[in-house]
Amino acid sequence: EPEVTQTPSHQVTQMGQEVILRCVPISNHLYFYWYRQILGQKVEFLVSFYNNEISEKSEIFDDQFSVERPDGSNFTLKIRSTKLEDSAMYFCASTPGTGVYEQYFGPGTRLTVT
Amino acid sequence: AQSVSQHNHHVILSEAASLELGCNYSYGGTVNLFWYVQYPGQHLQLLLKYFSGDPLVKGIKGFEAEFIKSKFSFNLRKPSVQWSDTAEYFCAVRRQAGTALIFGKGTTLSVSS
Repeated sequence: EPEVTQTPSHQVTQMGQEVILRCVPISNHLYFYWYRQILGQKVEFLVSFYNNEISEKSEIFDDQFSVERPDGSNFTLKIRSTKLEDSAMYFCASTPGTGVYEQYFGPGTRLTVT
Repeated sequence: AQSVSQHNHHVILSEAASLELGCNYSYGGTVNLFWYVQYPGQHLQLLLKYFSGDPLVKGIKGFEAEFIKSKFSFNLRKPSVQWSDTAEYFCAVRRQAGTALIFGKGTTLSVSS
């Protein structure tokens, strides 16, 4: 069964550094998402992406964040200058469309900012 | 703002006990409703979903949920839990017109054998 994959599984970075989290969505899916879960808190929506542009974003997704689909398979989340409060599990998800479809989630990348 | 409330933070049950996890949402329009499960060390997996039609939906592994529109609720049930049901359970809502999932805080279920 096709799966969403994410790399790395764990990333440790110093405050102020840039990080890029990578995701490979399921191949025939058209919509891509990033969510994050700070330890002990709920899963929060960050951004959705369709047709090479952002279709929806939350207030969390400020200028520090950007997303890109650099090729036909990868979907990346960049954090330009990480802060301690960016430490979280970041989940990528994809779906074939916005109709009666569920979102399929990847295993997550645990980002630790020190 | 749209929100999802899960009433139980941590539920501890013995095997064969019945399970009901509460979920309420605050949004007046049409919504799609989901329950996801996250087993230890694994990614979020869909248990079941409701888009329209019969408000009682059946999912995988013997789980079911009932959508009660008047109560803005979508409670998850299982008649007899197993040790392997130990996991984190997340209720999520999506506005029909939008695409973002709004999650509840999750309920940790611990089942002892």
